[in-house]
Amino acid sequence: DSGVTQTPKHLITATGQRVTLRCSPRSGDLSVYWYQQSLDQGLQFLIHYYNGEERAKGNILERFSAQQFPDLHSELNLSSLELGDSALYFCASSAGGLAGEMSYEQYFGPGTRLTVT
Amino acid sequence: AQRVTQPEKLLSVFKGAPVELKCNYSYSGSPELFWYVQYSRQRLQLLLRHISRESIKGFTADLNKGETSFHLKKPFAQEEDSAMYYCALSGRNTGFQKLVFGTGTRLLVSP
Repeated sequence: DSGVTQTPKHLITATGQRVTLRCSPRSGDLSVYWYQQSLDQGLQFLIHYYNGEERAKGNILERFSAQQFPDLHSELNLSSLELGDSALYFCASSAGGLAGEMSYEQYFGPGTRLTVT
Repeated sequence: AQRVTQPEKLLSVFKGAPVELKCNYSYSGSPELFWYVQYSRQRLQLLLRHISRESIKGFTADLNKGETSFHLKKPFAQEEDSAMYYCALSGRNTGFQKLVFGTGTRLLVSP
């Protein structure tokens, strides 16, 4: 068990609604990453936080936002939901994550499956 | 643009047969390459990375910069190798902590 936890496991909601996905990193990890996995796009990087600060953004929609709290857990907020937002959302964590010359091993959570109807 | 291509969605082999999961990448510079694996009902986990040059569970992968490939190989497949395999890269161009994934290859090992 990698230690990254995500809640909820499943979420079913209607178009136009707003949801919050939660991630708790492994003990001691300072970085949190969010990825979206959909059938047509595969695994896509959304955003990276290190010790409360945003470090990198990927193809994250403006309707989506995230934050990392002082206790290092992170939340991904998805608003004005559309059918196309239905996907598996993964969180990952790593020990490091500041800009540098190496990649840190990322440990993934089990994911939250979001279904928008 | 940085891109990872895994041309096979599904690779089906018999137990004991050699396995090669293909991964090609597009990257300007020197990337870091990874293979992640997801077994049934388990989370995505790192299998190996090219800089460590390790063999994990009998799998190896060699970075071929000339062919821009990082194929995953195993000489004798086992049933427990059945899983989804993702090739990924990172590097200075992407920001070292951002992983760019391929679409994955499902490996099915039959008895």
